Amino acid sequence: DAKTTQPPSMDCAEGRAANLPCNHSTISGNEYVYWYRQIHSQGPQYIIHGLKNNETNEMASLIITEDRKSSTLILPHATLRDTAVYYCIVRVARPTTDSWGKLQFGAGTQVVVTP
Amino acid sequence: ETGVTQTPRHLVMGMTNKKSLKCEQHLGHNAMYWYKQSAKKPLELMFVYNFKEQTENNSVPSRFSPECPNSSHLFLHLHTLQPEDSALYLCASSPPLSGETPGELFFGEGSRLTVL
Repeated sequence: DAKTTQPPSMDCAEGRAANLPCNHSTISGNEYVYWYRQIHSQGPQYIIHGLKNNETNEMASLIITEDRKSSTLILPHATLRDTAVYYCIVRVARPTTDSWGKLQFGAGTQVVVTP
Repeated sequence: ETGVTQTPRHLVMGMTNKKSLKCEQHLGHNAMYWYKQSAKKPLELMFVYNFKEQTENNSVPSRFSPECPNSSHLFLHLHTLQPEDSALYLCASSPPLSGETPGELFFGEGSRLTVL
């Protein structure tokens, strides 16, 4: 699976949009971009994933550049409960016996939402 | 509530003890995972099971012994651990590792292990 690069930390004001960048310049054509977050002392929580097109769900939006070398997770109206470590992960779409589509987590971005 | 339950939530054990961590999922998934999260380190994948068959052992020492009796249950048996094994152990489940789209992982709350 391709590696990702994220800023180690960022602050965001409550009620504002939080834009979290991720670089994945070595991504392959069959790899998805996944985002998870981990609130302190809890297990990671799935947020959203995409392949080529932008995606939106009730939690966030995912914007993937046309060359797929980077993406941005957007939390439209950040709340204090969005304070967490956010992980950007790329994952092969069709697992083989040598690559069972496992998630490899990096260090992520520590997002702190302030009042 | 993610549908993945881990017990115990906290465990303190000596280096000569034998204990087990349990994970149960109620999501109808067929793949289950053990991850380790040490302080200030990224999550490390330990083991993967797909339809009860172990498909990944990420060079984990033999003092950690996984068991997957069925698709809903996963255990991690611990014996003669070291203090550096103290960490948060996370279990996850997902749809089977096959098909075109990899399913998302659902994680439990974790079992925090302290080895004295």
